[in-house]
Amino acid sequence: GENVEQHPSTLSVQEGDSAVIKCTYSDSASNYFPWYKQELGKRPQLIIDIRSNVGEKKDQRIAVTLNKTAKHFSLHITETQPEDSAVYFCAASRGSSGDKLTFGTGTRLAVRP
Amino acid sequence: SQTIHQWPATLVQPVGSPLSLECTVEGTSNPNLYWYRQAAGRGLQLLFYSVGIGQISSEVPQNLSASRPQDRQFILSSKKLLLSDSGFYLCAWSPYPGTEAFFGQGTRLTVV
Repeated sequence: GENVEQHPSTLSVQEGDSAVIKCTYSDSASNYFPWYKQELGKRPQLIIDIRSNVGEKKDQRIAVTLNKTAKHFSLHITETQPEDSAVYFCAASRGSSGDKLTFGTGTRLAVRP
Repeated sequence: SQTIHQWPATLVQPVGSPLSLECTVEGTSNPNLYWYRQAAGRGLQLLFYSVGIGQISSEVPQNLSASRPQDRQFILSSKKLLLSDSGFYLCAWSPYPGTEAFFGQGTRLTVV
């Protein structure tokens, strides 16, 4: 089955700086890669996703890049703000019948004011 | 639009007592449904998933079971809770297998 590794487990940045979280996956057939943000005590919420037919996707201050050859994808947050502080999870799946998302172990991001 | 409801939000149960958590989805048909557990400060562990009524796949053998009696209803149960069952339980749904999952508000279960 799929195995997703996520690094770092914790990340602290100064407000205004950029943050990068990286994930690697094992199943070369995976083609869907979402990112979730979970604030303390809340549910995870989808913030951005990418499919294997593109290498990069951007939505305002967040972007995701995908390298299918190397089997890794990354979340980039620019101009970080205190409200970006949360736990971020990456995930991967084949997006096909019978499949389900495999999540990384999470990155706790702290943005220092 | 689709919404997912999960209740209760918090629950304190004694060891050995039964458990029933319910999740329902509105605004869609034949959703893929999932139960996840999250221990404090940890990641998301998939417990069960279902692609249709009566179809349940178990990811981790344990003290829990799941049922899907109706298309948009997913129930997590236990006959006798253990201390190790404490955690944050999240129900989720997706329109297609392996695609974006949308989570319910979660149930924080404390077994005492």
